[in-house]
Amino acid sequence: KAGVTQTPRYLIKTRGQQVTLSCSPISGHRSVSWYQQTPGQGLQFLFEYFSETQRNKGNFPGRFSGRQFSNSRSEMNVSTLELGDSALYLCASSLATAALNTEAFFGQGTRLTVV
Amino acid sequence: GDSVTQMEGPVTLSEEAFLTINCTYTATGYPSLFWYVQYPGEGLQLLLKATKADDKGSNKGFEATYRKETTSFHLEKGSVQVSDSAVYFCALTDSNTGNQFYFGTGTSLTVIP
Repeated sequence: KAGVTQTPRYLIKTRGQQVTLSCSPISGHRSVSWYQQTPGQGLQFLFEYFSETQRNKGNFPGRFSGRQFSNSRSEMNVSTLELGDSALYLCASSLATAALNTEAFFGQGTRLTVV
Repeated sequence: GDSVTQMEGPVTLSEEAFLTINCTYTATGYPSLFWYVQYPGEGLQLLLKATKADDKGSNKGFEATYRKETTSFHLEKGSVQVSDSAVYFCALTDSNTGNQFYFGTGTSLTVIP
């Protein structure tokens, strides 16, 4: 069965621009989470979507937003890019329901470079 | 709040050496514990997990036991191989915070022939 697919794999953007990243979860998975990975801060939770609703949100500014579609595919958007937004953005999908903690399956990530 | 602390790297071992990577956690609810591995240029792959106290997770020769009394989940392998070279992340999810993962800072392991 296909894994988690993130597109694009690499992006180079200029400060002040905006960017949209895409994630297709494993078929049947309804939960999609996003993480930012940087050498200095490690892996930080951005937000989680479940059945098209944001269920949880990390401590990031409002420039970071996301959404989930009816087919569970998710997008995250970063507006007014800053140099510090350069990172590997990872998407994770899981079967998780409200009452069940299960493992997450990660995509290969989108490497965003802001110049 | 919830957090994970794991031993700092990098760790360099010779092939067939014994590996331990320490991991301790703080959780407000009832955590599930995980070890993920990341190879260069890749995302995270689940290595093993344990969902309740005294459970032992194991996979590919790696093992970790959920110790509630010491709030630990140390990763061990009896004989490492060059192909085990990667970054290892300890992580938890908490019944109080749903599907959010809390990750340690990662431990880089290099195995030399």
